[in-house]
Amino acid sequence: GAVVSQHPSRVICKSGTSVKIECRSLDFQATTMFWYRQFPKQSLMLMATSNEGSKATYEQGVEKDKFLINHASLTLSTLTVTSAHPEDSSFYICSARQLAGLSSYNEQFFGPGTRLTVL
Amino acid sequence: AQSVSQHNHHVILSEAASLELGCNYSYGGTVNLFWYVQYPGQHLQLLLKYFSGDPLVKGIKGFEAEFIKSKFSFNLRKPSVQWSDTAEYFCAVKRAGTASKLTFGTGTRLQVTL
Repeated sequence: GAVVSQHPSRVICKSGTSVKIECRSLDFQATTMFWYRQFPKQSLMLMATSNEGSKATYEQGVEKDKFLINHASLTLSTLTVTSAHPEDSSFYICSARQLAGLSSYNEQFFGPGTRLTVL
Repeated sequence: AQSVSQHNHHVILSEAASLELGCNYSYGGTVNLFWYVQYPGQHLQLLLKYFSGDPLVKGIKGFEAEFIKSKFSFNLRKPSVQWSDTAEYFCAVKRAGTASKLTFGTGTRLQVTL
């Protein structure tokens, strides 16, 4: 299957600083990328959907000014957590989907996740 | 909006035991259904998916799932689990016919003992 990478795998930062997480599709072009947040022992909660070259669509309750998403190329999307606070500590997972043909479904491939800890 | 519920939060089985994990969804329209697995320290991987046709779907590693439309269910099964099946299992649903978003269940942690 296709590979999606995330960098860094874990990051610890001080409260008030900003953190950037990268998501890359290594062997395919991802027209759409998704950012999820996963709390311990809970499900993946979709934060936003980004399409290459356009603004991200945020889910209800997700602050767009706090979680900045950029999808500048078909292989790279970034999530920047601005002015991070301890409550932002979580596991962030990206997923990429390739648009191929007329199928209504194109499999989403998931990255390994980034563990963010805000002190 | 659709939602997904997984009733079993933590399941402990001995090797060779049979497995069935429950998944129910709520959505009145046509859906596509998925099971994902997340092994410890690894990323989510697709186990199997249902779009249409035979409601009994076979996936990788000996897993299968049956779509029962009348019960809004998509339970995951495996006749004989192995220690290496220890992982977190997530059921997910999306509306059919569009490239819409996946909605995940809360996950079931499966622990297989030797």
